Amino acid sequence: TQLLEQSPQFLSIQEGENLTVYCNSSSVFSSLQWYRQEPGEGPVLLVTVVTGGEVKKLKRLTFQFGDARKDSSLHITAAQPGDTGLYLCAGRDYKLSFGAGTTVTVRA
Amino acid sequence: EPEVTQTPSHQVTQMGQEVILRCVPISNHLYFYWYRQILGQKVEFLVSFYNNEISEKSEIFDDQFSVERPDGSNFTLKIRSTKLEDSAMYFCASRASTVTYEQYFGPGTRLTVT
Repeated sequence: TQLLEQSPQFLSIQEGENLTVYCNSSSVFSSLQWYRQEPGEGPVLLVTVVTGGEVKKLKRLTFQFGDARKDSSLHITAAQPGDTGLYLCAGRDYKLSFGAGTTVTVRA
Repeated sequence: EPEVTQTPSHQVTQMGQEVILRCVPISNHLYFYWYRQILGQKVEFLVSFYNNEISEKSEIFDDQFSVERPDGSNFTLKIRSTKLEDSAMYFCASRASTVTYEQYFGPGTRLTVT
């Protein structure tokens, strides 16, 4: 089983601040996906990163895949209350292996 | 935008009963998955299904579980004799093809076993 560790587990910041969430593993993944999950709902796909060193931007969200394809980060610039949620990373071999998630709270 | 749908949204059943959870994957997708999430825990892989057969399954997916694609649109998960520890959110996901990476998840079915 390939383990994905996410940090921090919880993050609470003020509106307008920046934040970074990390996803680390000792294993290499063919791709890594970031999801956002609201309570009682299914994970919603945000982005897929495939190439080592790849950086993808989705409005105020920046995703980076490590050169060795073992780690990734999600950076949110000027966070807004609407960014509040559980952010999950998932590494793919034949299946998705999920991290435990980072719960982000953005206070107005 | 196409999406994965699941029914029912909530299923309550007594221990030992059989349940069938239903999913309609995104049209034209070829790969189908079931995951579960016990309250407060990680999303866990159960099984993947391609070309009308199971391609991979986890240790959780024992003889009590089965999957089926009875027609061109539905994908089902059956639990033959439910246990208390089967209580969880069950998510269906689908992926378009061999050369795509993205898995799209349904909203889930909350299964409560009493």
